[in-house]
Amino acid sequence: GQQVMQIPQYQHVQEGEDFTTYCNSSTTLSNIQWYKQRPGGHPVFLIQLVKSGEVKKQKRLTFQFGEAKKNSSLHITATQTTDVGTYFCAWGDGNKLVFGAGTILRVKS
Amino acid sequence: GAVVSQHPSRVICKSGTSVKIECRSLDFQATTMFWYRQFPKQSLMLMATSNEGSKATYEQGVEKDKFLINHASLTLSTLTVTSAHPEDSSFYICSARGGGGHSYEQYFGPGTRLTVT
Repeated sequence: GQQVMQIPQYQHVQEGEDFTTYCNSSTTLSNIQWYKQRPGGHPVFLIQLVKSGEVKKQKRLTFQFGEAKKNSSLHITATQTTDVGTYFCAWGDGNKLVFGAGTILRVKS
Repeated sequence: GAVVSQHPSRVICKSGTSVKIECRSLDFQATTMFWYRQFPKQSLMLMATSNEGSKATYEQGVEKDKFLINHASLTLSTLTVTSAHPEDSSFYICSARGGGGHSYEQYFGPGTRLTVT
């Protein structure tokens, strides 16, 4: 069956440093979404990527979908304390969404 | 943006009792609602998918008789945890699809933290 790994599980960075989380699939994905969940909060949709090699930017966040549509990454430039939370990738499986394990980001000020 | 509410936000109940959690889409009609369960520092695990007016589709390993889902209208879905036990303690989150945004977006409720004593 399809296996998607999200790494790293946890990352602690100094404010101002960059951060990247990766999702790697054993099979081709039709699309991939990214969500952010603040501590104690609920997931909030960030973006969806559909096209091979797609790159999208939202301010300091850069999202990429690999050429083979098996890998995706979320990169945050110059992290801020407001970036703390758990970042999940998720992919469509028919009518439903399957979530990766998530990467917990902590930012030291 | 589309707003989804959940009630209650926290509930503590005794073992053996039942608890009902409501999920409402406040400003849009949700064609599909999803129920997730999340343990501390873990990912969201889909429990079931519900479409208005039809029976919910449960994921493998989720007991449909224990987790009753009713999607009576396009704005309301309920999850009832029957005969709750301490191992049912978790964070339950609903999401809805069908808002004014893209059709693939899911809008999440704030979650319900259930503690069974």
